[in-house]
Amino acid sequence: NAGVTQTPKFQVLKTGQSMTLQCAQDMNHEYMSWYRQDPGMGLRLIHYSVGAGITDQGEVPNGYNVSRLNKREFSLRLESAAPSQTSVYFCASQGSGEAFFGQGTRLTVV
Amino acid sequence: GDSVTQMEGPVTLSEEAFLTINCTYTATGYPSLFWYVQYPGEGLQLLLKATKADDKGSNKGFEATYRKETTSFHLEKGSVQVSDSAVYFCALIRDQAGTALIFGKGTTLSVSS
Repeated sequence: NAGVTQTPKFQVLKTGQSMTLQCAQDMNHEYMSWYRQDPGMGLRLIHYSVGAGITDQGEVPNGYNVSRLNKREFSLRLESAAPSQTSVYFCASQGSGEAFFGQGTRLTVV
Repeated sequence: GDSVTQMEGPVTLSEEAFLTINCTYTATGYPSLFWYVQYPGEGLQLLLKATKADDKGSNKGFEATYRKETTSFHLEKGSVQVSDSAVYFCALIRDQAGTALIFGKGTTLSVSS
C-alpha cells in the first residue's frame, strides 16, 4: 500500500541546471498537486492537476512546469534552477476532500 | 480569497500539559477543515478533520471543533507527550470537488519530559 511515492528524496543542483521531480499515486485519485514548504511560509501550492492532461497554476508557479500524462503520475520540472527554489517539495493526491502526501524532496540549489 | 491563520510558534510545553493551537479561517461557503501533522523529516499526515459546522474531529487524543460562528478550528489535547513534538498545520478545502488545500503557516510544538 504505497500511497504517494516521490522521487528523489534529496537533490543538490547547480544554478541553471534542470531536473524533474517524480510523483506517483496508487489511489486512483483525479486531483494531484505540488507544494513547496519554506520556513515560516507553510505549504504553498505550485501547480495542480484535476486529471490526465489538465493542469493549472497555483500560488507560486513561476519557474516550474508540470506534466500529468496519466491519472497515476504528476511530475514537476525545474528548467533552470535558481537558489530561490531551494525548498522542500511535496506531492499530494486528493480524494474526496482528504489529501495524502509524499515524503518530500529536499532540493538545494547552489 | 480563502485563507487560514494559525497562532505563531514555537509552542514549548512540558509533558502532560494542556495544548491549544488556535486556527481561524476565511472562506466562502462551507469549507472542510483539517489538521495535519508533520513529524521531523517526514511528510504530512492527516490528524483529524471536520466537514460541517459543529462537527468535532478527534484522533490520538487530539480534538478540534468546527465553529462556523467564530470561523475557528482550534486544536486541543488534554495531556501532551514528548512524541507529540511536531509541526501542526491547519488547512481547509473550499469544497469537495477537487480544489487545493489551503494551509496555515504551521505551528511547531516542542514537548519536553
